[in-house]
Amino acid sequence: GNSVTQMEGPVTLSEEAFLTINCTYTATGYPSLFWYVQYPGEGLQLLLKATKADDKGSNKGFEATYRKETTSFHLEKGSVQVSDSAVYFCALRGAGGGNKLTFGTGTQLKVEL
Amino acid sequence: GAVVSQHPSRVICKSGTSVKIECRSLDFQATTMFWYRQFPKQSLMLMATSNEGSKATYEQGVEKDKFLINHASLTLSTLTVTSAHPEDSSFYICSVHSTTPRKNTEAFFGQGTRLTVV
Repeated sequence: GNSVTQMEGPVTLSEEAFLTINCTYTATGYPSLFWYVQYPGEGLQLLLKATKADDKGSNKGFEATYRKETTSFHLEKGSVQVSDSAVYFCALRGAGGGNKLTFGTGTQLKVEL
Repeated sequence: GAVVSQHPSRVICKSGTSVKIECRSLDFQATTMFWYRQFPKQSLMLMATSNEGSKATYEQGVEKDKFLINHASLTLSTLTVTSAHPEDSSFYICSVHSTTPRKNTEAFFGQGTRLTVV
């Protein structure tokens, strides 16, 4: 079946540091890949997505590239801010379509001044 | 603003009692809603798919008699944890997908409900 593995947290960074949160997946065919973010007290929000190999999703300074050869979708940001502190979830939707999502465990990011 | 409203955000109940969690779609009608559960340091696991006007579809290993799902209207789905026990303590999240083609590929989530059974 489908699965998503992402690095455990918490990840603690200083403001303006470079961020990488690793995500790898197992799925047949070409799934769609997502990063969701959950700020304290709020629901998950879609941060970015990529639907085919080599696509790059980007939003709010975050980027992730769909790498079929390494089955990865790592999240990166060049300069994090305190306001980026949240839990980040990597997820996939299977190639067969439908709306069922498979999530990683989530990675908590703490950004300090 | 919020697209999905989930209530309550936190609930503490005694062992043996039942707890109802509501999930409301605020922005559009939803024929399908999803209920997830998350244990500490684990993934969100899909529990069931709530279908408006028909029975919910449960994932393997999820007890349908314990986790009652009702999707009586296009904007409301409820999850009732019956005869709750401490092992049911978890974080429950609902998700909504619009019926409109434009938003069909994006999921909208509630803020989650932290259930603690004592």
